[in-house]
Amino acid sequence: DIQMTQSPSSLSASVGDRVTITCRASQSISTYLNWYQQKPGKAPKLLIYTVSSLQSGVPSRFSGSGSGTDFTLTISSLQPEDFATYYCQQSHTAPRTFGQGTQVEIK
Amino acid sequence: EVQLVESGGGLVQPGGSLRLSCAASGFTFSRYWMSWVRQAPGKGLEWVANIKEDGSENYYVDSVKGRFTISRDNAKNSLYLDMNSLRGDDTAVYYCASMIFGGPFDYWGQGILVIVSS
Repeated sequence: DIQMTQSPSSLSASVGDRVTITCRASQSISTYLNWYQQKPGKAPKLLIYTVSSLQSGVPSRFSGSGSGTDFTLTISSLQPEDFATYYCQQSHTAPRTFGQGTQVEIK
Repeated sequence: EVQLVESGGGLVQPGGSLRLSCAASGFTFSRYWMSWVRQAPGKGLEWVANIKEDGSENYYVDSVKGRFTISRDNAKNSLYLDMNSLRGDDTAVYYCASMIFGGPFDYWGQGILVIVSS
């Protein structure tokens, strides 16, 4: 199975900060990398698919980059509604594995 | 508007069985792969199973193979997960999600809680 490792596991940031979350795959997954946002008690929501394509309705402050094994999710200016847990997920090979999550907290 | 609504969860004893259902609306259900993804309390997301558009192929995570069965009824726009020989580590919120083959889980239900405990 392909292992997905996110870093950091958690971070504290202030409104307006630039936030970067990284995701590393245990083998190359080309561009089959997706990002989700999950708020407490809610279902995950797709933010970005195939590395950098924004899902409809997702604000442009979210962006993604990378290829192969190393990927990044960037929030250019953190907003109050962005405090949540973020997961990366590979759709290259079954089983479709997720990273362990990165919790973004208010500083 | 896309809607996925899970039902059928609850408390079940170890070794017991449960059937989860997911009612889909707002999109052409028969054109999508569908999946079940679960989340144990306080833990991350784990893909459980998926099924092809016409039901002809299905895949499972190793930990549920031989115990869980995914199925669908395209005439009823419904997805199912039959869970047998349930164990404590199956305790989780189960989400149904639509899936583009080779792509992301693009729409998710609200989730349904399954608790396996005596």
